[in-house]
Amino acid sequence: GAVVSQHPSRVICKSGTSVKIECRSLDFQATTMFWYRQFPKKSLMLMATSNEGSKATYEQGVEKDKFLINHASLTLSTLTVTSAHPEDSSFYICSATNAGYTEAFFGQGTRLTVV
Amino acid sequence: AQSVTQPDIHITVSEGASLELRCNYSYGATPYLFWYVQSPGQGLQLLLKYFSGDTLVQGIKGFEAEFKRSQSSFNLRKPSVHWSDAAEYFCAVGAQNNDMRFGAGTRLTVKP
Repeated sequence: GAVVSQHPSRVICKSGTSVKIECRSLDFQATTMFWYRQFPKKSLMLMATSNEGSKATYEQGVEKDKFLINHASLTLSTLTVTSAHPEDSSFYICSATNAGYTEAFFGQGTRLTVV
Repeated sequence: AQSVTQPDIHITVSEGASLELRCNYSYGATPYLFWYVQSPGQGLQLLLKYFSGDTLVQGIKGFEAEFKRSQSSFNLRKPSVHWSDAAEYFCAVGAQNNDMRFGAGTRLTVKP
């Protein structure tokens, strides 16, 4: 199957700082990428859908200015958590697909801890 | 929009016993259905998927799932559970634009 790489796998940052998470499709062109957030012992909640070259579509209740998503190329999407606070601590997972696939491929996830 | 229900939050089975994890979906058209497994602190691994055709789908690690349109279900089964199967299992339904929605997950504990 296709490979999606997410970096970093773990990050600890201080409250008030910003953190960038990268999601790369290694062997295919990802026209669409999805960002999920997973709380401890909870399911994955879709945060936003990003299409290459256009603005991301955010799910209801997700702050656009808080979670900045950029999908500037067909192989890279980034999620920036701005002015992070402890309540932003979570597991973030990306997935990617292109027009030829009928499934999405997931990254390994990023554990964000804000202290 | 599509949605998924996994009625069982936590299931415990003995090693060697059979397993069935339930999944019910809601979607207006023909769904794309998936089962994923997640080990603690890890990403998701695809076990199997259904798009069309044979309603009994074989996956990796000895898992299978059966699509039943009349019941809007896509239950996951395994005839004999191994201790390494202990993990969190997620059912998901996708639309044609690949916007995937997940169930709440079922945590599987395997007793020796």
